[in-house]
Amino acid sequence: SQQGEEDPQALSIQEGENATMNCSYKTSINNLQWYRQNSGRGLVHLILIRSNEREKHSGRLRVTLDTSKKSSSLLITASRAADTASYFCATDARGSSNTGKLIFGQGTTLQVKP
Amino acid sequence: DTGVSQNPRHKITKRGQNVTFRCDPISEHNRLYWYRQTLGQGPEFLTYFQNEAQLEKSRLLSDRFSAERPKGSFSTLEIQRTEQGDSAMYLCASSLFSGSGNTIYFGEGSWLTVV
Repeated sequence: SQQGEEDPQALSIQEGENATMNCSYKTSINNLQWYRQNSGRGLVHLILIRSNEREKHSGRLRVTLDTSKKSSSLLITASRAADTASYFCATDARGSSNTGKLIFGQGTTLQVKP
Repeated sequence: DTGVSQNPRHKITKRGQNVTFRCDPISEHNRLYWYRQTLGQGPEFLTYFQNEAQLEKSRLLSDRFSAERPKGSFSTLEIQRTEQGDSAMYLCASSLFSGSGNTIYFGEGSWLTVV
């Protein structure tokens, strides 16, 4: 079963705009990871944020984590057409002894129009 | 470091046939994972290995599925007597377990179509 939910399920923006995707999860976690997936391709790792961290940056990406609300957000600034993809959050549930058994949401499909 | 490699990338098979997928993880990664993804869904965990030991199997992994990692390097996932419901993308991933937060790297996946 899926651990979390991404919101929105689909997002369409113009190039240059910012895109924000949200993820909610159900159980306590060790860490949360965001991935990108282009159509028909594998998953590309974007950012890992640990449960004791609140915010991380990587280039045009900014991830926040609120463990009290069991939620995370991914912000892509100054979006480009090449950012068009599906974005997934995945949680490594606490109590799973750091197995790396990731539980994925259903993803947000982002379309960036040139 | 060439990333996680999977083959074949695409496989079309008739119902009832057996198929095998291979995964070569990033070298020196001690953990290897298999996931399954169907259209419009996120990946679902199937099983994982620490070196050559298979430590956990999802209930999604019916007795028609078997995974091995004989020498702690590459892994194979075999599906026997395939059914149309097995059609999906099978993703392999690997990580170097460090005790606190594993970045898990995925391959490009192997698409299976059962006709």
